[in-house]
Amino acid sequence: QKEVEQDPGPLSVPEGAIVSLNCTYSNSAFQYFMWYRQYSRKGPELLMYTYSSGNKEDGRFTAQVDKSSKYISLFIRDSQPSDSATYLCAMSDGGAGSYQLTFGKGTKLSVIP
Amino acid sequence: ETGVTQSPTHLIKTRGQQVTLRCSSQSGHNTVSWYQQALGQGPQFIFQYYREEENGRGNFPPRFSGLQFPNYSSELNVNALELDDSALYLCASSHPMRGYTFGSGTRLTVV
Repeated sequence: QKEVEQDPGPLSVPEGAIVSLNCTYSNSAFQYFMWYRQYSRKGPELLMYTYSSGNKEDGRFTAQVDKSSKYISLFIRDSQPSDSATYLCAMSDGGAGSYQLTFGKGTKLSVIP
Repeated sequence: ETGVTQSPTHLIKTRGQQVTLRCSSQSGHNTVSWYQQALGQGPQFIFQYYREEENGRGNFPPRFSGLQFPNYSSELNVNALELDDSALYLCASSHPMRGYTFGSGTRLTVV
C-alpha cells in the first residue's frame, strides 16, 4: 500500500462547476498537508497548506483535512479553464519547508469552457 | 517567476553515462531538495541539503549524489544512468516558514 493514494483521473468538468479532489494516506505521523498545482512542463506550485485537521479557505479554494479518517480534500469553486492542470497532494511529518514531502500521483483536471 | 532556476531544461543521455543537473536557489532559502518525477507519477524525494550537508535521503541508490554550495546553489549527480532514470528532476528551495518553491525541472531522457 502506498503511503499516499490519489485518484489520477483524468477529471473533466464544465466551467463554473465545483471540483472535489481527494487523497487518503496511511502514515499517522503526517501533520502538514499541502496541495500543489502543476501545469504542463512546469514545476509544482503551492496552492494550499494546512496544519493538522480542519479547513482552510483561500479565494475559490478550500482545503479540508480529517486526520481521524486520514483523508484530505481540495475544493475548487467556480472552476475556470485556467484551473486545468494536475493537482498533487503532499504531506510531511515536519514543517512545510524543512522536511521531505510525500506526494500523491496527482489528479489531472480539465475545465471545459 | 519562481526564483528557482534549473539547467539544462532538457537532456538526453546514453545508458551508463553520468549526468550533472544544476539548480540556483531562491535568495534566503538555505535548504534545497531534489525530487524525481516519473511520467504520470508524483514527485519522489531524493535528498535534501541544509548548509552544504545532506540531512535527509529518500529511497535512492548511492549513484544519486549531490552538492550544495555556499551560495545555496546545488547539483544533482547521477552515475551509471539507467533507462528508469528517465524523468523530470525537480529542485526545490525552502524556507521553514514559507514552504517549498520548485523550479521548472530538468527533463532527462536516458536512451
